[in-house]
Order: sequence, then C-alpha cells, then structure tokens
Amino acid sequence: DAGVTQSPTHLIKTRGQQVTLRCSPKSGHDTVSWYQQALGQGPQFIFQYYEEEERQRGNFPDRFSGHQFPNYSSELNVNALLLGDSALYLCASSHRKGGVEWETQYFGPGTRLLVL
Amino acid sequence: DQQVKQNSPSLSVQEGRISILNCDYTNSMFDYFLWYKKYPAEGPTFLISISSIKDKNEDGRFTVFLNKSAKHLSLHIVPSQPGDSAVYFCAATHTGAGSYQLTFGKGTKLSVIP
Repeated sequence: DAGVTQSPTHLIKTRGQQVTLRCSPKSGHDTVSWYQQALGQGPQFIFQYYEEEERQRGNFPDRFSGHQFPNYSSELNVNALLLGDSALYLCASSHRKGGVEWETQYFGPGTRLLVL
Repeated sequence: DQQVKQNSPSLSVQEGRISILNCDYTNSMFDYFLWYKKYPAEGPTFLISISSIKDKNEDGRFTVFLNKSAKHLSLHIVPSQPGDSAVYFCAATHTGAGSYQLTFGKGTKLSVIP
C-alpha cells in the first residue's frame, strides 16, 4: 500500500522564478493538505483541497496556489519566489468520512526547496 | 503569536527510562490534539491523538495526557528505545465545521541513549 508520495525530493530555484510541486495521496484518500516547514519551525498550513476545490486556506499570500486533479493528486504552485520561500514543503492526505471527530492526516516525505 | 508551544527544543533520556515531552496551547477553541514523530529526510508520522473529552489515551508504549484547565498536554514513552530518537511535534486543531488545519509546535528533539 503506497503512502503519500511527493516529487521532486529537492529543488533549487532563483528569486522571481516559479515552482510546481506534486503530491500523490495515500491509496483511498481523497483530501490533500499542503504545509510549509521552515528550518527550526513546525509545519505551517498552506491550504487543503477536497473535490478539486480549495476548502481552507492558511495565512499565505496569493503567490501560493494549488490544484487537485480528478485522481485526487495535487500540485502546489509558488510564483515570484522569495528567499524566504526556502523550506520543506509537506503534503498530507486524509480520507473524508462522516461520523469521525478528525480525519487523520498522513504526511509525505516532503520537497526541499532552496531559493537563491 | 504561537498557539502551540513546545518549550524544550531537546531532551536526552537513557534507554529503558521514561521520556516525557510537553506541549502547551493558548487557543481555547482547540479540542483535538495529535503527536507526530519525524525522522530526518522523512515526513512526520502520526503517533497518537486525544480528544478534549478525554484526559488520557494509550497506545502501547505511548500515552498522551491532556490537562484542559492548564491547556497542557504531554506524551509519555515507556520504556524509551533508541529507535524513538526523532523530533516530536505536538499539533492541535478545532474540529468544528470549516476547520481542517493542524497547528504545530516547533518540535522537541528526543535522543534516547543506549
């Protein structure tokens, strides 16, 4: 049973460029969340996608956008990269089901982005 | 404004002894709490969770305690094993309608010494 997969594992970009990160959720999961983890910090919520729609967004600028495909995979796009966007980007998947208190999120290994 | 705080950046424990990792939160709307473990070059792995209607939840060697009045939770690992050496993140959420995000602390690096 494949877990959450992300690509690429590492990426180097320069300021002002654009980047696209990809995520495939765990088998049976239909919801994808994206988090940014800066060095020495905990993960910070960027947004969540369900049924190909952005369901909730954290405190991130519009330069961060996403997409979810019919097969539940997702992309995170970041435009006009800043040095401060250097971080580990984590994708988490979950399965939306009724009657449970919380849908546990399972994380992928992340994509490490370095902006020079 | 950090809503979830893990005030100990690191902790060292002897193999076989108890590890206690602490977490405090400030947002009184949080009603569900989780612990994740993270090894280098891997994503966080879900360990254990607790709802605010409980004060304790056990899963094998791992027990989470919740003190709502103090807005404090702790993770106990007994006995500690060298394979437990990792960064542990406390996370919290509000399970009310329309909230799907986890708020994380900065993590505590646990080192279990053989």
